[in-house]
Amino acid sequence: GENVEQHPSTLSVQEGDSAVIKCTYSDSASNYFPWYKQELGKGPQLIIDIRSNVGEKKDQRIAVTLNKTAKHFSLHITETQPEDSAVYFCAASMGNAGNMLTFGGGTRLMVKP
Amino acid sequence: DAGITQSPRHKVTETGTPVTLRCHQTENHRYMYWYRQDPGHGLRLIHYSYGVKDTDKGEVSDGYSVSRSKTEDFLLTLESATSSQTSVYFCAISAWGAEAFFGQGTRLTVV
Repeated sequence: GENVEQHPSTLSVQEGDSAVIKCTYSDSASNYFPWYKQELGKGPQLIIDIRSNVGEKKDQRIAVTLNKTAKHFSLHITETQPEDSAVYFCAASMGNAGNMLTFGGGTRLMVKP
Repeated sequence: DAGITQSPRHKVTETGTPVTLRCHQTENHRYMYWYRQDPGHGLRLIHYSYGVKDTDKGEVSDGYSVSRSKTEDFLLTLESATSSQTSVYFCAISAWGAEAFFGQGTRLTVV
C-alpha cells in the first residue's frame, strides 16, 4: 500500500519568514495530494490540494508543488504569521471512489513573533 | 465548517466494555470515514463507507466494526475496548471521493 513520509517533524521560523514542509510517497498511482492544518483540539482542516496533472498551485500565501517523477510534494508558506502555528499533514490518494487518504506523520510549525 | 458532528467529544471507558462513537453529517455526502490519530502516526483509516449499508475496511480495522443505516450517520463500535484503542477518533466526509472534510474528533480513553 501507499506510504507517505513527511519532514521535518517540527519546524520553528521567525514571523515573516518562509516555511517549507516536504513529503514523499511510494505509490506511483497516487494522483491527489491534499494538505491539512490542525489546530490544538480541532479536526484537520483542508487548506490546499493538488492533482497530478498540475505541477504547482497557489492560494495567497500558500503554495504546493508536485514532482511526480521524484514522487515528492511540498507545502510552502510565505510571510508566516503567528496564526500559522499548527500541525500540518500531507496526504496522498488515488483520488478515485473511496479516496482512502494515506497521511504523513505531521509537522508541528511554530511561528515566533 | 462542513456539517459534521461527532459524539461524544470525550469518553473514558473501562477495558472490555463496548463503545460506540457516532458521526452525523448534514451535507448528504456519499462517503464517510473513520480515522484514528496517534502521536507519530498521523491519521490512519479504520473503516469507510461508500453508501448506506456499504462499508469496507481500512488500514487498522482490527477490533472495530462500523454501520451505516442512514446516509447521515456512521457509527464506529469497539466491541471490547482495549488500552491500545485509546486515541483521538476523527470522522470525515466526502462528496465524490476527493476532498475530505473532518469533524472535531472524539477523545477516547480506555482504562
